Amino acid sequence: GNSVTQMEGPVTLSEEAFLTINCTYTATGYPSLFWYVQYPGEGLQLLLKATKADDKGSNKGFEATYRKETTSFHLEKGSVQVSDSAVYFCALSYPGTYKYIFGTGTRLKVLA
Amino acid sequence: SQTIHQWPATLVQPVGSPLSLECTVEGTSNPNLYWYRQAAGRGLQLLFYSVGIGQISSEVPQNLSASRPQDRQFILSSKKLLLSDSGFYLCAWSVQREGGEQYFGPGTRLTVT
Repeated sequence: GNSVTQMEGPVTLSEEAFLTINCTYTATGYPSLFWYVQYPGEGLQLLLKATKADDKGSNKGFEATYRKETTSFHLEKGSVQVSDSAVYFCALSYPGTYKYIFGTGTRLKVLA
Repeated sequence: SQTIHQWPATLVQPVGSPLSLECTVEGTSNPNLYWYRQAAGRGLQLLFYSVGIGQISSEVPQNLSASRPQDRQFILSSKKLLLSDSGFYLCAWSVQREGGEQYFGPGTRLTVT
């Protein structure tokens, strides 16, 4: 069946370090892919998305590229800030369907 | 613009008591609606989703139920809470038939004692 696999956390980085959070998926066809961010005690917020192969989603310095050949959607940021500390979720969905599949989340801690 | 509300924000309930959590969406019509539960430090578990008034699909058999009495209102209920029902409950909506992004509410923190 369809699934999303994220790297285990927590990921601990110093401020201004480079961030990569790996996400791979198993799915048939052409799903849409998303990254969500959850700050402590809050709901999830959409960070970025990509709807077809080779699309690059970007927002607030974060980027992810839809790689169909490797079934991946890795999240990257060139220079993290303390305010980026949160839990990041990778997810997929299919157009015309009602369901979304989420990864287990990766906690990021950025130290000053 | 669209907004999603959930209440209450926090709730402490004894085992065996009833539960009612409410979610409402503004600024859109005929959305898909979802209830998720997030245990401490864990991922999201889809509990229910609805594609229209009175239409509820359950993903996980348990002592919870959901109802959609109005187009933009989604209610999560229980007749008797269990300790294992503690968690962070999130309501979300998405546009019908698009498979685009979901939009999440602020969540309700439920502690069953």
